[in-house]
Amino acid sequence: QQQVKQSPQSLIVQKGGISIINCAYENTAFDYFPWYQQFPGKGPALLIAIRPDVSEKKEGRFTISFNKSAKQFSLHIMDSQPGDSATYFCAARNNNDMRFGAGTRLTVKP
Amino acid sequence: KAGVTQTPRYLIKTRGQQVTLSCSPISGHRSVSWYQQTPGQGLQFLFEYFSETQRNKGNFPGRFSGRQFSNSRSEMNVSTLELGDSALYLCASSSTSRGLADTQYFGPGTRLTVL
Repeated sequence: QQQVKQSPQSLIVQKGGISIINCAYENTAFDYFPWYQQFPGKGPALLIAIRPDVSEKKEGRFTISFNKSAKQFSLHIMDSQPGDSATYFCAARNNNDMRFGAGTRLTVKP
Repeated sequence: KAGVTQTPRYLIKTRGQQVTLSCSPISGHRSVSWYQQTPGQGLQFLFEYFSETQRNKGNFPGRFSGRQFSNSRSEMNVSTLELGDSALYLCASSSTSRGLADTQYFGPGTRLTVL
């Protein structure tokens, strides 16, 4: 049962451009929405996270936008760099459950 | 501070066998969670342990089990292996009793191949 839908599956962006990845969730009981970055051969690493009482959170070049009524949230990577090339996963969770999106493979071309 | 460590990193088994994977959390972390990652199903939550007790469980068959020791180290066991169990198994630890709701730190994973 897919509870978190992530798009696009893959994304190619030029260096300096903006990368945007979208996620939608179904279960309104989720109360924490992290994004993870995963490089080949490594485990996921927490990038940034948001709670539903906030509509936007920014950390450096990474911004999460959250729309509670639409049950959607997105990751924006500003000034994308080749080193950002990785797979990105959104997730939704509460104390009892954690669901992941299918992942987006981001390629930033120099 | 050392990160989450998982052993072994790679494992090859045949159908019907069983396997045990090990996870050592970050020092001081008491919550350990396990995840399965496959190309087809993506990342899926298996179970979470806190203070030697299974606190949450994902939607996996009983062939998948785990335990946690008093030093917070955790093991995951898969019995009667099937081809579909081939996956990267990830362990994550967190520092507080909030477990899944807390910041989790992932290990590098154990790559299991079932032939």
